[in-house]
Amino acid sequence: DTGVSQDPRHKITKRGQNVTFRCDPISEHNRLYWYRQTLGQGPEFLTYFQNEAQLEKSRLLSDRFSAERPKGSFSTLEIQRTEQGDSAMYLCASSYFISRTYNSPLHFGNGTRLTVT
Amino acid sequence: AQSVTQLGSHVSVSEGALVLLRCNYSSSVPPYLFWYVQYPNQGLQLLLKYTTGATLVKGINGFEAEFKKSETSFHLTKPSAHMSDAAEYFCAVSDQELTGGGNKLTFGTGTQLKVEL
Repeated sequence: DTGVSQDPRHKITKRGQNVTFRCDPISEHNRLYWYRQTLGQGPEFLTYFQNEAQLEKSRLLSDRFSAERPKGSFSTLEIQRTEQGDSAMYLCASSYFISRTYNSPLHFGNGTRLTVT
Repeated sequence: AQSVTQLGSHVSVSEGALVLLRCNYSSSVPPYLFWYVQYPNQGLQLLLKYTTGATLVKGINGFEAEFKKSETSFHLTKPSAHMSDAAEYFCAVSDQELTGGGNKLTFGTGTQLKVEL
């Protein structure tokens, strides 16, 4: 178990460019979550998947954001036409869900820090 | 909607002194409550969680928290602070019932703990 892995750790891009981040969850975990954390704030929920199905998206996730988990393993988060307001730490987390009565705690990766210039 | 309020964005204690980090929650359904710690440029690590049962919860690194429904509080304590405890701490709430165990977390804004010699 190598934990949740995120790539890249840092990304600097110019406004208007597209960026894509990758998250590899803990192998046996069936749920995968994306959060965004801006400076001085707690993480904010963006979206989550159970296996390959995207079950919920936050209102924070504008049309420029898209997330996929095509084979129920790794996930990608793409931001199109980046804006300076997109600068943040993007955190991925995973968990093992069985039922309402059992869902393991979220395990977080170290995040991808995005800077839009 | 659920929310958590962390009182005090910065807390400073002397090494060996009691650590008390405050968290109050708001929830229309029985909450699941969590404390996470974040070290610089890293993801979040779970310290402890309250789901049901015993209201005094013990976590890692000597931390514990007590769920007090009457006060809607879930304060984090540690009897004796260590230099290695310096980090940012986040309280979070989850609406297990409403999200079918999705474990979507709503975080507070965090408390930066400083430990001085």
